[in-house]
Amino acid sequence: GAVVSQHPSWVICKSGTSVKIECRSLDFQATTMFWYRQFPKQSLMLMATSNEGSKATYEQGVEKDKFLINHASLTLSTLTVTSAHPEDSSFYICSARGAEAFFGQGTRLTVV
Amino acid sequence: DAKTTQPTSMDCAEGRAANLPCNHSTISGNEYVYWYRQIHSQGPQYIIHGLKNNETNEMASLIITEDRKSSTLILPHATLRDTAVYYCIVRKILTGGGNKLTFGTGTQLKVEL
Repeated sequence: GAVVSQHPSWVICKSGTSVKIECRSLDFQATTMFWYRQFPKQSLMLMATSNEGSKATYEQGVEKDKFLINHASLTLSTLTVTSAHPEDSSFYICSARGAEAFFGQGTRLTVV
Repeated sequence: DAKTTQPTSMDCAEGRAANLPCNHSTISGNEYVYWYRQIHSQGPQYIIHGLKNNETNEMASLIITEDRKSSTLILPHATLRDTAVYYCIVRKILTGGGNKLTFGTGTQLKVEL
């Protein structure tokens, strides 16, 4: 089946630094990708919709200047957490494809 | 998209069938029922989906009631590796790759020896 790959799987960064997470569709082209965030013992919450060649669409309450999304090609979307703080520590997951959404393995971000 | 209600948790003995219920009483005619599962610290995995007919694949069976207000995901022979949070999601199939999903709290299935 279709594969979506995220990198890195986990990252630890210092407060105030920026972190980039990559989401790649390995065997298909994805004009649209989705970024979710999941806090411990909670469900996935959609953050934004990443559109190839255009601006991302952010869900209400998600700061677009803090969570920068770039979807420059049909196989790659990136999420950059800028000026990360401990409260940004979370599990970030991307997905792509149509009816049967395929998800990346997730990225565990820890901000210290 | 219609809201779903699932039990918070369920236990199942290994080798037995796991039946996971989902209520979606406000489902509309063009909405499908999707099931995903999330093993701890991994991304969600698609399991199965259906509109009104029962569906079966290599992973599971999906039984949808005639009025479509509820459904049951059946794992016929649960194994320890099926321990996960199972999400029932109701959504329209959108064109152009618009497949954003709204996740509820899901059911934590624990398969035990």
